Amino acid sequence: AQKVTQAQTEISVVEKEDVTLDCVYETRDTTYYLFWYKQPPSGELVFLIRRNSFDEQNEISGRYSWNFQKSTSSFNFTITASQVVDSAVYFCALSGGNTDKLIFGTGTRLQVFP
Amino acid sequence: DAGVTQSPTHLIKTRGQQVTLRCSPKSGHDTVSWYQQALGQGPQFIFQYYEEEERQRGNFPDRFSGHQFPNYSSELNVNALLLGDSALYLCASSLVKGLTSEAFFGQGTRLTVV
Repeated sequence: AQKVTQAQTEISVVEKEDVTLDCVYETRDTTYYLFWYKQPPSGELVFLIRRNSFDEQNEISGRYSWNFQKSTSSFNFTITASQVVDSAVYFCALSGGNTDKLIFGTGTRLQVFP
Repeated sequence: DAGVTQSPTHLIKTRGQQVTLRCSPKSGHDTVSWYQQALGQGPQFIFQYYEEEERQRGNFPDRFSGHQFPNYSSELNVNALLLGDSALYLCASSLVKGLTSEAFFGQGTRLTVV
């Protein structure tokens, strides 16, 4: 069975702090993809990143960085120097096997205060 | 380039009624997936349409049905509405290309069943 766990329900930080959102996944598939999406109050899910199971290189995009570790089945997301505009719900998701449907975690609500 | 558009944005229905939600995919995309997001939860996969046929289905009852038109737009129909069907319904479009499809989401339709 496939499962994504985001243990942090809500995180509050002050602007310019660094924050890490945790994601742990379970799958029996050898080929799978991991995703992060941002959901602002408007409701639309905004794609942030996709990683495949064969690529464990960490990735950095501006203030965002991702740490993929197969040994611990984790795909954590770090925002450096957080900004108020980063306030949103962030979802980690998994797809794998013979399907591209997304299995989402329950999300982490990030509040960045000025 | 228009992204994924959904209509209506909000809807209030009475228990037992039927509802139809609509989705136009991002230009160039041929696959549409529907997700249900209950309050405080991550999106749950309902089904996916490709070439006007249901390609995959999640764990949802037959009251949930869909359709895809030749122009790739899609409808989600829910019959015999229950209070528990109240949720944000998200449409995602993608281009079928193996397992690397990146899904783009619309802003959703918020359905309230009273």
